[in-house]
Parts: sequence; C-alpha cells; structure tokens
Amino acid sequence: ILNVEQSPQSLHVQEGDSTNFTCSFPSSNFYALHWYRWETAKSPEALFVMTLNGDEKKKGRISATLNTKEGYSYLYIKGSQPEDSATYLCADSGTYKYIFGTGTRLKVLA
Amino acid sequence: EAGVTQSPTHLIKTRGQQATLRCSPISGHTSVYWYQQALGLGLQFLLWYDEGEERNRGNFPPRFSGRQFPNYSSELNVNALELEDSALYLCASTGPKGLYEQYFGPGTRLTVT
Repeated sequence: ILNVEQSPQSLHVQEGDSTNFTCSFPSSNFYALHWYRWETAKSPEALFVMTLNGDEKKKGRISATLNTKEGYSYLYIKGSQPEDSATYLCADSGTYKYIFGTGTRLKVLA
Repeated sequence: EAGVTQSPTHLIKTRGQQATLRCSPISGHTSVYWYQQALGLGLQFLLWYDEGEERNRGNFPPRFSGRQFPNYSSELNVNALELEDSALYLCASTGPKGLYEQYFGPGTRLTVT
C-alpha cells in the first residue's frame, strides 16, 4: 500500500447498531496514525493519535486499534447514535509527511 | 488557549482577481497546513509550512502560493482566480515537523464569480 486508504467509502447504519471501518497505510517508516471526525459544517476534530503496534484507544463509545506490521487501523463505534453521523478521516504522519485518507462517511439513521 | 483562527470568514472575488487568506496557528505550533475542500470532495492538501519554510505542496498549479511569517502565521495567495477555485479553505496547525495531531481553523469560504 502506497497511500492511505479507507473503507468503506460510506456507510448507513441504524441507531443502536455497532459499526467499524478500516484505514490502511504503508507499514514501512511508520510514525503515527491519526483519526479525525469531521461533522458537516464544522472543521475536522482529532479523535486519536496512535503510535505503538497493538495500541488501543477509547473515547466513550468510540475506540480504535492499530496494527503497524500489516499497516491497518480499525475504528469502532458501539451503539451508534444519530450524532455520530460524520466523516471519519485517518491520517498517516511522519517527519514532513501527513497524508489523509478520503474518509468514511457514516450516516446513523434514527 | 485560543484555537486556530482564519480570516476572512467569507471572501467573494471575480474571475481573474487575486485572493489572500490568512491563518494564525495555536500558540507554540510551528507547522501550518492549507487544505481545499471543494463541493462534494474531501480534504485536498495544498501547502505545508514549517519553521518558515515550505515543506511540501499538493497537486495544485503555481498560482496557489503562500508563505509563513516569523510568528508562524501564514498566508495563502491564489492568483488569477478561476470559478473552480470556489471552495472552503481550511488551515490547520500542529507541532514541529508535522508529527502531531492537527488543529483546524473554521475555514474561509471563497466564492469566485
């Protein structure tokens, strides 16, 4: 993998469902992986910064895991709520490198 | 602590004119990034300044340029405006060398008529 790739591109889930999406990044020269949440009409907001293989971060109902050897990270949302509707971006950063994926657009239906 | 600020909030220009957008980073941040979000598209990386120097630029024509001042604030200049330059321009700041999470400003909405 040469670029940062996210899947799926978009996702609709029912309120209360749990969901997850993937960020794939080049596994060589890894420094840090970031997750951002971008709500409509607002600016992107940082969720997590992950640096260590096996890292797991949690903020409320949202959690993320990191596998630097195979170059992927998962973002999980437990019990999705309508207010979780947003685009979730991941970014691969290193010295003078900061590359965003194209995002997963999540829509939670009430 | 003040966040990233951008000015102006809205800017309306006509085709062929020049636009100047400004960004002030969070105190202590030395890296400033510029992004374009055109209608229906994601974040498109434009320019990256760190410690006063341009470190990287995205796939945009040379009429998109900028600079970073000694106080780490930054300007984005767009010359010879075209209709497709209409977009939201976001600025973000982070610590040195771009190793940390980015903090985004509220953006400048540029409309070219």
